[in-house]
Amino acid sequence: QKEVEQNSGPLSVPEGAIASLNCTYSDRGSQSFFWYRQYSGKSPELIMFIYSNGDKEDGRFTAQLNKASQYVSLLIRDSQPSDSATYLCAVRTSYDKVIFGPGTSLSVIP
Amino acid sequence: DAMVIQNPRYQVTQFGKPVTLSCSQTLNHNVMYWYQQKSSQAPKLLFHYYDKDFNNEADTPDNFQSRRPNTSFCFLDIRSPGLGDAAMYLCATSRDALLAGERTQYFGPGTRLTVL
Repeated sequence: QKEVEQNSGPLSVPEGAIASLNCTYSDRGSQSFFWYRQYSGKSPELIMFIYSNGDKEDGRFTAQLNKASQYVSLLIRDSQPSDSATYLCAVRTSYDKVIFGPGTSLSVIP
Repeated sequence: DAMVIQNPRYQVTQFGKPVTLSCSQTLNHNVMYWYQQKSSQAPKLLFHYYDKDFNNEADTPDNFQSRRPNTSFCFLDIRSPGLGDAAMYLCATSRDALLAGERTQYFGPGTRLTVL
């Protein structure tokens, strides 16, 4: 089992819709969780982090964490074409190492 | 503006010719990381420094070396680049803090390495 898994996509949503990105992790003792956005040929850009169970909102983005299910998600409301990118889930594990998932490619169709 | 800077942004080298990539930061973070990212893959951690303490990943080839002469600078040396080393090399920094948010990694723009 891979340490951090994501649906590779591509995920296509129409402009204005909600995009839902999912991530699961294997280390139950993982401490904190990060979502990065990466445009083609660019470096990852932090969107938000979460470390407590529940929801965390920042503008159009909401991160959701369920440690019991070892699941973290990112919702993007009112999706825009500029949101088209690869979204990387990263997990800081119990042994203090950050592991990245393979990323989900999102395409927002105008 | 506080930031992570990588030079050069694009590097072309020949098979077997040593190359050095550099990273500098004005964030005063004590932890610095080097990642390798190939097309459509996740960033793969090569090594990192906690201050001057070097931590090598078990599967990082000996061909890759690193130096950190001071807090602000970190270098990635590839002694004999092979075709398989062509990738984006990402430098990241973080603070070694108790709060999860303060340990967030911040990435530089990356150096794209081409091996001919």
